[in-house]
Amino acid sequence: SQQGEEDPQALSIQEGENATMNCSYKTSINNLQWYRQNSGRGLVHLILIRSNEREKHSGRLRVTLDTSKKSSSLLITASRAADTASYFCATDARYNFNKFYFGSGTKLNVKP
Amino acid sequence: DTAVSQTPKYLVTQMGNDKSIKCEQNLGHDTMYWYKQDSKKFLKIMFSYNNKELIINETVPNRFSPKSPDKAHLNLHINSLELGDSAVYFCASSQGWGGGNQPQHFGDGTRLSIL
Repeated sequence: SQQGEEDPQALSIQEGENATMNCSYKTSINNLQWYRQNSGRGLVHLILIRSNEREKHSGRLRVTLDTSKKSSSLLITASRAADTASYFCATDARYNFNKFYFGSGTKLNVKP
Repeated sequence: DTAVSQTPKYLVTQMGNDKSIKCEQNLGHDTMYWYKQDSKKFLKIMFSYNNKELIINETVPNRFSPKSPDKAHLNLHINSLELGDSAVYFCASSQGWGGGNQPQHFGDGTRLSIL
């Protein structure tokens, strides 16, 4: 199935360090999105990157997309304890506009 | 003001019962979704409606029936609840249609526990 798989499943770092999470998917896409989920809450949209883009920034977030490798990465620089959450990538399907798939996420713990 | 609101937040019920979850969005979006998140945090789309019209209906048992009375509301009714229905159900909305080309806004979820 066309679902993103995040790697690693869990990541624990110290405050101030950078956190990198990876997402791989199986078939061609039009768009890839990253979301954050705090414990007990809904998902919050972070960044949308289109298949013709290679990199996008938003504040301390940097997302890259490599369509040849069918992979994306999310980098959080200078992490804070408040960044502790699960991070999900989500992809659509290039030839089926209505399909949308999430992975099972990377659980990030930022220790103060 | 809450953009996407779901009620109830918690739902504990017996196997075999029928229950409904309500969702409302005040963002003026055209498209609404229902997702199921299992105990391993895997999030799977169930249904999507665009302007009250069903556009995505994934492989979901027909015990689950969505209803969209208007484009600001998408309710989920579940008949004959089973143990495997225990999960967190999320409602979401987006502008336009097509799940991938617009950010989605999520509610805080309904935690359904089947006894």
